[in-house]
Amino acid sequence: GAVVSQHPSRVICKSGTSVKIECRSLDFQATTMFWYRQFPKQSLMLMATSNEGSKATYEQGVEKDKFLINHASLTLSTLTVTSAHPEDSSFYICSARDWAKGTHQPQHFGDGTRLSIL
Amino acid sequence: QQQVKQSPQSLIVQKGGISIINCAYENTAFDYFPWYQQFPGKGPALLIAIRPDVSEKKEGRFTISFNKSAKQFSLHIMDSQPGDSATYFCAASMASGEYGNKLVFGAGTILRVKS
Repeated sequence: GAVVSQHPSRVICKSGTSVKIECRSLDFQATTMFWYRQFPKQSLMLMATSNEGSKATYEQGVEKDKFLINHASLTLSTLTVTSAHPEDSSFYICSARDWAKGTHQPQHFGDGTRLSIL
Repeated sequence: QQQVKQSPQSLIVQKGGISIINCAYENTAFDYFPWYQQFPGKGPALLIAIRPDVSEKKEGRFTISFNKSAKQFSLHIMDSQPGDSATYFCAASMASGEYGNKLVFGAGTILRVKS
């Protein structure tokens, strides 16, 4: 089955640090990946859509200069939280779809990154 | 505006019982309805999905019932087991247009199966 790998699984760092999270599709190509944020006991909130070879599309209210997204290859998207502050602490999850199989293919999720800013 | 409404917020079921989670959607352009299961500290995993051209889909102990006219769909977990204890999310998407393959999630249901 389609596997999405996310790294690192957990990050603890000081306020002001920039943190990079990687999302890889291991056995399929993904021209588009999605980045979500999830607070405890809440649903997933879509932050942005990552498009291979072009700029990401951000959801309303998400600061694009704060959350930098790069999708340089068909299997890798990165999310960089710049100058992170405690309020950026959250669970970040990526997903990808096997677009080669056409529409209505399921999104497959990574196991998330727990970001804690001290 | 909440596009997909999910209920109940939490559910406790005895082992061997049936767990039922309901979702309702607003936008009739939605044409794909997956259910995801999430364990603590993990990403969501696809359980089962349905398209509006069928009224029911079954995979093992999991069944989706879909009512297009009522704009509602539900997940039934038969013979619920303690290992099914997790958070369940319904979602909806459409192939094009405003949401363009983006998933719109329900608020989630925390299921606990008592042994």
